[in-house]
Amino acid sequence: EAGVAQSPRYKIIEKRQSVAFWCNPISGHATLYWYQQILGQGPKLLIQFQNNGVVDDSQLPKDRFSAERLKGVDSTLKIQPAKLEDSAVYLCASSFYGGTEAFFGQGTRLTVV
Amino acid sequence: QKEVEQNSGPLSVPEGAIASLNCTYSDRGSQSFFWYRQYSGKSPELIMSIYSNGDKEDGRFTAQLNKASQYVSLLIRDSQPSDSATYLCAVWGGSSGDKLTFGTGTRLAVRP
Repeated sequence: EAGVAQSPRYKIIEKRQSVAFWCNPISGHATLYWYQQILGQGPKLLIQFQNNGVVDDSQLPKDRFSAERLKGVDSTLKIQPAKLEDSAVYLCASSFYGGTEAFFGQGTRLTVV
Repeated sequence: QKEVEQNSGPLSVPEGAIASLNCTYSDRGSQSFFWYRQYSGKSPELIMSIYSNGDKEDGRFTAQLNKASQYVSLLIRDSQPSDSATYLCAVWGGSSGDKLTFGTGTRLAVRP
């Protein structure tokens, strides 16, 4: 069974530029999560989808971050414009449904200079 | 109060010893509990899940859940240097909503 796929693996951009990350969850998984992990900290939930509906986006900086999950399968997370403090690893995870075991992709390491 | 709390460590144990990692959570209504291992530069890897009070064993790992005291722990028996990593506790559900919340992690170092 294929795992969670994320791309790109690494991205370096200048502040005020825009960037997008893509995630394809494990087949059949209804719940998809995007986390931000800053070095030395635990993953911070940005947004959680159940199929193509948003369950929680309370910690998503909506003035600059957006996410969508069209058709309830893959998802994109966008940052526009990026700030220096957005430098982090962006992790996508999926689970069969909410409350069950979640599995992570390899993550995207973003550096904003 | 943080939703999920862990001691950041480092917790240092000698090879072959039992490592004990602890986690407390604030929401009494939380329903599902998970332990992840994260090696430096890698993404979190699920190692244990536990949903009801008591112990759950899987190989060298034992997860313990006590909902009355709102803590969950992970025991690693016969610790190996390859167990050196950060261990993340994650909690699902509760009054704050159906979401998966992580602690800051405990760094474990196993000395050869």
